[in-house]
Amino acid sequence: DTAVSQTPKYLVTQMGNDKSIKCEQNLGHDTMYWYKQDSKKFLKIMFSYNNKELIINETVPNRFSPKSPDKAHLNLHINSLELGDSAVYFCASSQGPRLSGYGYTFGSGTRLTVV
Amino acid sequence: DAKTTQPTSMDCAEGRAANLPCNHSTISGNEYVYWYRQIHSQGPQYIIHGLKNNETNEMASLIITEDRKSSTLILPHATLRDTAVYYCIVRVVNFGNEKLTFGTGTRLTIIP
Repeated sequence: DTAVSQTPKYLVTQMGNDKSIKCEQNLGHDTMYWYKQDSKKFLKIMFSYNNKELIINETVPNRFSPKSPDKAHLNLHINSLELGDSAVYFCASSQGPRLSGYGYTFGSGTRLTVV
Repeated sequence: DAKTTQPTSMDCAEGRAANLPCNHSTISGNEYVYWYRQIHSQGPQYIIHGLKNNETNEMASLIITEDRKSSTLILPHATLRDTAVYYCIVRVVNFGNEKLTFGTGTRLTIIP
């Protein structure tokens, strides 16, 4: 059983298109995250949701819109894709904010290529 | 936010202990030290965390100095599958919400 699953694993699309990446966790965690890893391999947090509520938004362009229909799902929709959006996007989950000592579980990533 | 400093890369012979250092001289008293690793093309994987006591689990040991300004991750018997980028992270609390902020990490290569 995959703890944090993302789909699709690979996504190639043209500039200007709108695309979505889905994430689901079956760990019963309260908090979910989106991270972006660019070509320089730098991992940076984008968003965090706790029980469907947005708690962290790290100055991400508003073309990126996360949606959490329930606490087990956090999807990422991207409008008007740009070349600079090409990266690997990782979803993660954890037991929740302020809970000390609990690690994050990451998905296997979605490699987005904008052409 | 407490920053961490790690060597860019390290090599270790297979079967030997890999000792990965991390400096976090500005760490606050209630901040934990986390270690994650990322094997090529995979998502980061949690390894271990600690506050001030040394910790051990099935993957690794974490040694934190008494002043908490540095720590060492120890992989006791490194295997080729331990080749990865290892991140030392001090957990940040931001307006009451925590987030993991990744640095550049140490690229550990296990040599056969």
